[in-house]
Amino acid sequence: DAKTTQPNSMESNEEEPVHLPCNHSTISGTDYIHWYRQLPSQGPEYVIHGLTSNVNNRMASLAIAEDRKSSTLILHRATLRDAAVYYCILESSGAGSYQLTFGKGTKLSVIP
Amino acid sequence: NAGVTQTPKFQVLKTGQSMTLQCAQDMNHNSMYWYRQDPGMGLRLIYYSASEGTTDKGEVPNGYNVSRLNKREFSLRLESAAPSQTSVYFCASREQSNQPQHFGDGTRLSIL
Repeated sequence: DAKTTQPNSMESNEEEPVHLPCNHSTISGTDYIHWYRQLPSQGPEYVIHGLTSNVNNRMASLAIAEDRKSSTLILHRATLRDAAVYYCILESSGAGSYQLTFGKGTKLSVIP
Repeated sequence: NAGVTQTPKFQVLKTGQSMTLQCAQDMNHNSMYWYRQDPGMGLRLIYYSASEGTTDKGEVPNGYNVSRLNKREFSLRLESAAPSQTSVYFCASREQSNQPQHFGDGTRLSIL
């Protein structure tokens, strides 16, 4: 599976937008980009995923670079509840692909 | 609205004891997964079941066995627990590949 690179940690002020970057220079044409987050003492929670086009949902937006070698998770207005570890994960859409490989993620701190 | 339910939530074992961690999902999902998470690390896949009746090894299967009892239930067994298996164990499920995974709240397992 292709690898992703994320900063270890980031800080944001409450109520400001947050842009969480992810590099995936070895992504293949069939790899989906998934984002999950993990709040303290909880299991991971799905945030968003996409293939080529930018995606929006009620939680966040996913901006995918034109060459797909990087992507950015955008939280439009950070709240204290958004403080978590955010994981960027690639998954092949090929037949028999059932695995997600979690790295260490980015720990987001939100400052009141 | 239970989602993915894991039992027990906490467990302490002695080295050499055996134990089965239970996982059940009520979303009629085809695929189920077992991960472990060590302090400060991302999740690592132990075993997964792409569909009822099938199981496959993940990244770190040694020392574990699994059973996909039916579509709802996927158990993880430690036959002879070792201190290196002290970890938080997460179960997850999803409908199919490239769909969101839904995680349980985890089982915190300590082996003395």
